[in-house]
Amino acid sequence: QITLKESGPTLVKPTQTLTLTCTFSGFSLSTSGVGVGWIRQPPGKALEWLALIYWDDDKRYSPSLKSRLTITKDTSKNQVVLTMTNMDPVDTATYYCAHWVIGFYWFDPWGQGTLVTVSS
Amino acid sequence: QSALTQPASVSGSPGQSITISCTGTSSDVGGYNYVSWYQQHPGKAPKLMIYDVSNRPSGVSNRFSGSKSGNTASLTISGLQAEDEADYYCSSYTSSSTFWVFGGGTKLTVL
Repeated sequence: QITLKESGPTLVKPTQTLTLTCTFSGFSLSTSGVGVGWIRQPPGKALEWLALIYWDDDKRYSPSLKSRLTITKDTSKNQVVLTMTNMDPVDTATYYCAHWVIGFYWFDPWGQGTLVTVSS
Repeated sequence: QSALTQPASVSGSPGQSITISCTGTSSDVGGYNYVSWYQQHPGKAPKLMIYDVSNRPSGVSNRFSGSKSGNTASLTISGLQAEDEADYYCSSYTSSSTFWVFGGGTKLTVL
């Protein structure tokens, strides 16, 4: 059974850097074809894809946020870390990580999500 | 503004059928059979309901079905049940550098 869980601060100040960790089980990021993605959802709004890291350490970012995002993995810890710089109140959202497999164009399953509020 | 267009809300009575549309472009919905649908109950994570336009993951009720015509995909829920009341999001792979795009979401109300 694959499970993922996001962790990180619930409150960050404007201009600060956000660091979120996705800890997963049931699969390994050293397995060919596997990836982990991040998706966020502002309160009452739609989902937005942010980033994806592949088993071979290749990475993809949303073009609109690419300059602010970094995604990394620690295979030994079964963790993926997303950092987002220069946080702004509009970045207030629930952030989800999700499992992905190459050749399959969907995310499944997703973590429970973590709400991050950006406020001074 | 979301890349894919969905109606903000739909409603139906128990036992009825409803359809939610998802309109994109030839760069996403129309260009690939990679449309997926997610169900999201309040405060919960999205759950995959349909993948590759019309396929159901194991464990998803056969009351849920998907289809596509041109640049518009559709999710149909038959035999509506109270537990189906949720938000539904479509998603598609896109040839743009965005890779994945989502719809704005549709709130389904079971009357």
